[in-house]
Amino acid sequence: QVQLVQSGAEVREPGASVKVSCKASGYTFTIYDINWVRQAPGQGLEWMGWMDPKSGNPGYSQKFQGRVTMTRDNAISTVYMELSSLSSEDTAVYYCARVLSGSSFDYWGQGTLVTVSS
Amino acid sequence: DIQMTQSPSSLSASVGDRVTITCRASQGIGNAVAWYQQTPGKAPKRLIYDAFHLQSGVPSRFSGSGSGTEFTLTISSLQPEDFGTYYCLQHNANPPTFGQGTKLEIK
Repeated sequence: QVQLVQSGAEVREPGASVKVSCKASGYTFTIYDINWVRQAPGQGLEWMGWMDPKSGNPGYSQKFQGRVTMTRDNAISTVYMELSSLSSEDTAVYYCARVLSGSSFDYWGQGTLVTVSS
Repeated sequence: DIQMTQSPSSLSASVGDRVTITCRASQGIGNAVAWYQQTPGKAPKRLIYDAFHLQSGVPSRFSGSGSGTEFTLTISSLQPEDFGTYYCLQHNANPPTFGQGTKLEIK
């Protein structure tokens, strides 16, 4: 069955970076893009960007451009999302989600809580 | 960016009620809308894709309709397990954008 398994919760100080992983299984990894969506406490869903595992090309929301980097390791079917220059406003649950080009997010990871606090 | 205006922001309904949630897009988006249910501490779960297609495994009391700029999610007979927050998503154009959410409480 399709699974997206994310890395565990992280705590960072302001100004630091965090790298979250999303390991896929149960399907052909390179057929689907992996997107990242975050949710601040008590808030809605915010799209951050995507990674095309086949080409290795990412695409980022303008809001996070320059601060986010998405990469992949096809050998272990894993996509990474690194966010730098963290502030308290980046405290959120970060989700990865699978997308077939032109469609919507069908499977989601379990979420990774990133807490930014001094 | 395409804005998705979702209403109502919250609602309270009884088991057996018919519930309707609406999303309006700031410009035409064809059928490129999905609906998600999120319960506390869990990832969103897709209910409807491409405006009206029922996700496999989702009960048939859920249905979607609409095209262009106005879309609706309907729960025909509310069940206790249907509590949570519902979101619409447009994926017609980048960036994909979500509605603000509708928090559904069971009376």
